[in-house]
Amino acid sequence: IQMTQSPSAMSASVGDRVTITCRASQGIHNYLAWFQQKPGKVPKRLIYGVSNLEGGVPSRFSGSGSGTEFTLTISSLQPEDFATYYCLQHHGDTLAFGGGTKVEMK
Amino acid sequence: EAQLVESGGGLVQPGGSLRLSCAASAFTFSNSWMTWVRQAPGKGLEWVATITPDGSEKLYLDSVKGRFSISRDNAKNSLYLQMNSLRAEDTAVYYCASQFSSSSHYWGQGALVTVSS
Repeated sequence: IQMTQSPSAMSASVGDRVTITCRASQGIHNYLAWFQQKPGKVPKRLIYGVSNLEGGVPSRFSGSGSGTEFTLTISSLQPEDFATYYCLQHHGDTLAFGGGTKVEMK
Repeated sequence: EAQLVESGGGLVQPGGSLRLSCAASAFTFSNSWMTWVRQAPGKGLEWVATITPDGSEKLYLDSVKGRFSISRDNAKNSLYLQMNSLRAEDTAVYYCASQFSSSSHYWGQGALVTVSS
């Protein structure tokens, strides 16, 4: 199962609403997680099971979707949110990350 | 505090072998699906291999099948990745990670593997 993530990069301003999408090549039920990674740092899980917020992650992050299309939304971008985001499907015989979305400052 | 600590990374020549280890502490390792993820310099995250809690099932990325082997020792709270026939394109930081779908989710700090002559 392959994951197509879009956009691959975007420019945004503090306070913007940001939406990142991942599309699976086939249905993955709810086996979908979202990660944030900053340069030189270990990835950090934000969302698991499509929409469950990791403990300690701000509520401006949310996940939604079903079947093959999934979305990570940041309701109001903050300075510390400039980073690269990845989706991960972990259903079936293989796992796959999306290609990543780099969120840069406009 | 739960922790995963990788070791065993380093410089190896093409065609060579290396064994990565991941030591787990402060969570129930024996109940956890465990995974190796890698990240080549300047590139995205790539899933490499996953093993079930009892070690009975192992899943691999196509490009590492037949060359890499994931294993675990639940008595030692340890995960391993044996890497043989290494290629330049295997150069990456290798992370171990637990349980993507539950609250017992952790990442190690990563181990750098460089394949070069």
